[in-house]
Amino acid sequence: GQQVQQSPASLVLQEGENAELQCNFSTSLNSMQWFYQRPGGSLVSLFYNPSGTKHSGRLTSTTVIKERRSSLHISSSQTTDSGTYLCALERTNTGKLTFGDGTVLTVKP
Amino acid sequence: EAAVTQSPRNKVAVTGGKVTLSCNQTNNHNNMYWYRQDTGHGLRLIHYSYGAGSTEKGDIPDGYKASRPSQENFSLILELATPSQTSVYFCASGDSGGERLFFGHGTKLSVL
Repeated sequence: GQQVQQSPASLVLQEGENAELQCNFSTSLNSMQWFYQRPGGSLVSLFYNPSGTKHSGRLTSTTVIKERRSSLHISSSQTTDSGTYLCALERTNTGKLTFGDGTVLTVKP
Repeated sequence: EAAVTQSPRNKVAVTGGKVTLSCNQTNNHNNMYWYRQDTGHGLRLIHYSYGAGSTEKGDIPDGYKASRPSQENFSLILELATPSQTSVYFCASGDSGGERLFFGHGTKLSVL
């Protein structure tokens, strides 16, 4: 089965609403990373988060290793947040990542 | 911010032809990676490298070769391209295991 599962597959919000994106994994991990993929295709690293909670502006990432899950919370969403959010699991300390299929977020004005 | 540059941005190839995708990074990172992304899916690792002269197989290496002639450059080679290799290819670099990766803008490859 797939080692990294993301949910929901897609999400539509009105501007100002909050979003909670989930990532569940079935193997042990060294770290978890979250990426934002622009509609044009390039990827931007949002968080490198092996465990615990990290904040960056309106974004919060929480990884709970013993529960094998990581989440990305977006508060007060904006239309510019639209795009695909990918989580990626690093199994060993090698930089090799296993990606989930992503959550496609659409924020409407 | 590390710069990772891929070329070409778009490529149309014929079945059975040879295709070379190039990647250059300017931040002196040791590790470089090639991923492919198919519509509606995440990225899958093809080959990676820990430094000049080294290449390692990723999760889906069949049909691909890689070359790392220098710290800055990492190429992906399709000796005999097939339509199933139509995809978007991303190169990435990182300083060492456990650090965040920097991605290029991707190369859209169509094999007809």
